[in-house]
Amino acid sequence: GAVVSQHPSRVICKSGTSVKIECRSLDFQATTMFWYRQFPKQSLMLMATSNEGSKATYEQGVEKDKFLINHASLTLSTLTVTSAHPEDSSFYICSASPPNSPLHFGNGTRLTVT
Amino acid sequence: GENVEQHPSTLSVQEGDSAVIKCTYSDSASNYFPWYKQELGKRPQLIIDIRSNVGEKKDQRIAVTLNKTAKHFSLHITETQPEDSAVYFCAASISGSARQLTFGSGTQLTVLP
Repeated sequence: GAVVSQHPSRVICKSGTSVKIECRSLDFQATTMFWYRQFPKQSLMLMATSNEGSKATYEQGVEKDKFLINHASLTLSTLTVTSAHPEDSSFYICSASPPNSPLHFGNGTRLTVT
Repeated sequence: GENVEQHPSTLSVQEGDSAVIKCTYSDSASNYFPWYKQELGKRPQLIIDIRSNVGEKKDQRIAVTLNKTAKHFSLHITETQPEDSAVYFCAASISGSARQLTFGSGTQLTVLP
């Protein structure tokens, strides 16, 4: 089945620094990838849709200048959390799917900002 | 946009009993409804999905029913086992594919041995 790989699985950073999270589709090409954020004991909230070769589409309330998304190839999307603050601490999960197939998730990245 | 409500938020059942989780959606254009199981600290895993052209789908101990008229769908787990304990999320898509999913709030299922 489709495999989505996400790295790193855990990251701890200091307030004010930036963190990059990678999402790769290992056995299929993904023109679109999705980035979700999940706070403890809460649901998955779509942050943005990453589009290969064009600008990402951000959901309402998500700051595009803070959460930079780059989708430079058909198998890689990156999410950079810039000037991270403690309130950005969360579980970030990417997802993608081959055409007409169910959505598959990466392993997620647990971000802790100290 | 689409709004998905899920109930109950927590559910405890005895091993061997059945568990039912219900979701409602708001957009009548939604036509794809997957269910995901998420264990603590792990990724959501697709366990079953249903499209709007069918009313029921079953896979071993898991079944999903869909009522398009009422705009609700349910997950049924029979003969529950302790390893079924997890958080379950329903979702709905208005795009006709798996891509733009709106998730329910989740149900913490605990199967008591």
